[in-house]
Amino acid sequence: DQQVKQNSPSLSVQEGRISILNCDYTNSMFDYFLWYKKYPAEGPTFLISISSIKDKNEDGRFTVFLNKSAKHLSLHIVPSQPGDSAVYFCAATSLTGNQFYFGTGTSLTVIP
Amino acid sequence: DADVTQTPRNRITKTGKRIMLECSQTKGHDRMYWYRQDPGLGLRLIYYSFDVKDINKGEISDGYSVSRQAQAKFSLSLESAIPNQTALYFCATSDTGTGKVYEQYFGPGTRLTVT
Repeated sequence: DQQVKQNSPSLSVQEGRISILNCDYTNSMFDYFLWYKKYPAEGPTFLISISSIKDKNEDGRFTVFLNKSAKHLSLHIVPSQPGDSAVYFCAATSLTGNQFYFGTGTSLTVIP
Repeated sequence: DADVTQTPRNRITKTGKRIMLECSQTKGHDRMYWYRQDPGLGLRLIYYSFDVKDINKGEISDGYSVSRQAQAKFSLSLESAIPNQTALYFCATSDTGTGKVYEQYFGPGTRLTVT
């Protein structure tokens, strides 16, 4: 059973606008959440993370929001750029960081 | 040079054959992981290792085995390959020492096809 879900397989956004990627999880024991970005023919690269004790973490154009009561997190990219076009995966793990559970990914296309 | 390398990058093999995928890293990280990616299923953890003497099963370890030959090397073996093991395989590392154990660094992937 999928413990981390990304229900939108794809998203298209105009350059300069905000991109919002969503992720839901079922396991309340998760302590840490991450977003990865993946270009074709490359491995995923770490983008941003958030601890379960926070509700927001910001790094430049990227902000992750966590709503623990709803078991939901989102990644906001503002402003979106064509180079942001990639597949984005959310992932979750416990405090020990033993096992990581990934969502199925959302393919973001930023239109120039 | 890439910090996490995987060999081969592409492999086609036949059902029943034994195959080994190799991963090497120059990052000095202690933790290493093997994942597979299937369309519509995201990445799923096969095995992980926190040091040479510590090997743990992940979510989908059946049909796979691993070997941690050194801190820098972690190999994944399919003892008798079957078609549903056709997938994209990724190796990843993370580092306990820096306190960023949650940040994983991935290799470029190995595309395996079992016919």
